[in-house]
Amino acid sequence: KNEVEQSPQNLTAQEGEFITINCSYSVGISALHWLQQHPGGGIVSLFMLSSGKKKHGRLIATINIQEKHSSLHITASHPRDSAVYICAVSSGGSQGNLIFGKGTKLSVKP
Amino acid sequence: NAGVMQNPRHLVRRRGQEARLRCSPMKGHSHVYWYRQLPEEGLKFMVYLQKENIIDESGMPKERFSAEFPKEGPSILRIQQVVRGDSAAYFCASSPLRGRNTEAFFGQGTRLTVV
Repeated sequence: KNEVEQSPQNLTAQEGEFITINCSYSVGISALHWLQQHPGGGIVSLFMLSSGKKKHGRLIATINIQEKHSSLHITASHPRDSAVYICAVSSGGSQGNLIFGKGTKLSVKP
Repeated sequence: NAGVMQNPRHLVRRRGQEARLRCSPMKGHSHVYWYRQLPEEGLKFMVYLQKENIIDESGMPKERFSAEFPKEGPSILRIQQVVRGDSAAYFCASSPLRGRNTEAFFGQGTRLTVV
């Protein structure tokens, strides 16, 4: 079993839909990261959080430390949101020594 | 302030050749991290460097791989005698501060293909 599990693996949505991507982890963490990767492109850091909730534009990230679970929500989804969303955790190692989930591939249809 | 710059974006090497991947961190950032993304797999941490020091290389393969971050110039990830299994996307990230909860900024990656 992977230390960081994401669900679903693939997600197709219609433009405008509310989207939720889940991340569960089995190790103790000091922080959790949500990253976005476009096809053939680089990686963008969306959020880093260790408790509670953060919001940036149409994106919201929440974390429940007791349940070892985080969610990434996208409101009013748009085709440009199509990307792979990756959850990663900092757990005991040096900074930057992240454990990554396999990613959730999101496709938003117009 | 330019972001993290990696070059080349694409690199093709024949088996047995050397690959050199470069990463220039964001201005003011003195911490650099390298990650590898194998086809159809998730990202994996490779190494964490500060200027002139390797802090954590626990994710580096034991042979053929090395990394440096000199006082002047970019960080270099070097792969000697490449094999087909080295084909992957290699990402670099940088951060300004020491501390486990410091946000890192990623580059566009170098896609290495070994033929």
